[in-house]
Amino acid sequence: DQQVKQNSPSLSVQEGRISILNCDYTNSMFDYFLWYKKYPAEGPTFLISISSIKDKNEDGRFTVFLNKSAKHLSLHIVPSQPGDSAVYFCAASAFNAGNNRKLIWGLGTSLAVNP
Amino acid sequence: DVKVTQSSRYLVKRTGEKVFLECVQDMDHENMFWYRQDPGLGLRLIYFSYDVKMKEKGDIPEGYSVSREKKERFSLILESASTNQTSMYLCASSSLGRWYEQYFGPGTRLTVT
Repeated sequence: DQQVKQNSPSLSVQEGRISILNCDYTNSMFDYFLWYKKYPAEGPTFLISISSIKDKNEDGRFTVFLNKSAKHLSLHIVPSQPGDSAVYFCAASAFNAGNNRKLIWGLGTSLAVNP
Repeated sequence: DVKVTQSSRYLVKRTGEKVFLECVQDMDHENMFWYRQDPGLGLRLIYFSYDVKMKEKGDIPEGYSVSREKKERFSLILESASTNQTSMYLCASSSLGRWYEQYFGPGTRLTVT
């Protein structure tokens, strides 16, 4: 039972255009949402986060939008560059049974930005 | 430049062998994590540690143990490797204040034959 879902396994966009990566979640108790980026043969790299009390967070070309009523978040990359080609993971923060925090991860969306 | 290093990029072991995966971070982070990544299952937390000699089970601890004798080092131990433990293993670390901003190592691809 996946609590964090990235329904698009892949996405292809033209350089300079906007990339929109989507993520849906089921647990309304999640308090932080994160996006990570992963290049081949490397570990994931933290990209941007958003608290559940906010609806938008921006960092340069990257903006994350949170729609709590729809339990949906999206990552916008504007403008997209070939170096953005990577797998993007959505993750959410929750407490486990021992009251420790943990991240619950989506399966990732592979983004290809074409020159 | 912050760094998390893992002892091996690729490892091949036989069923029943004891396997040690080592992880070292140079950021003085309190938290350290071990994940495994499998196709269709994503990243799953095996164990984590928020302090030296402290450890907490993650979602899939069965068949694994961990050791954290020093702050910078977190070891994952497969007591008796089995073929279903063939996977990509990722180590990560984070600070107490920004625990969700996890820094990952490059991963160890373990094959158990």
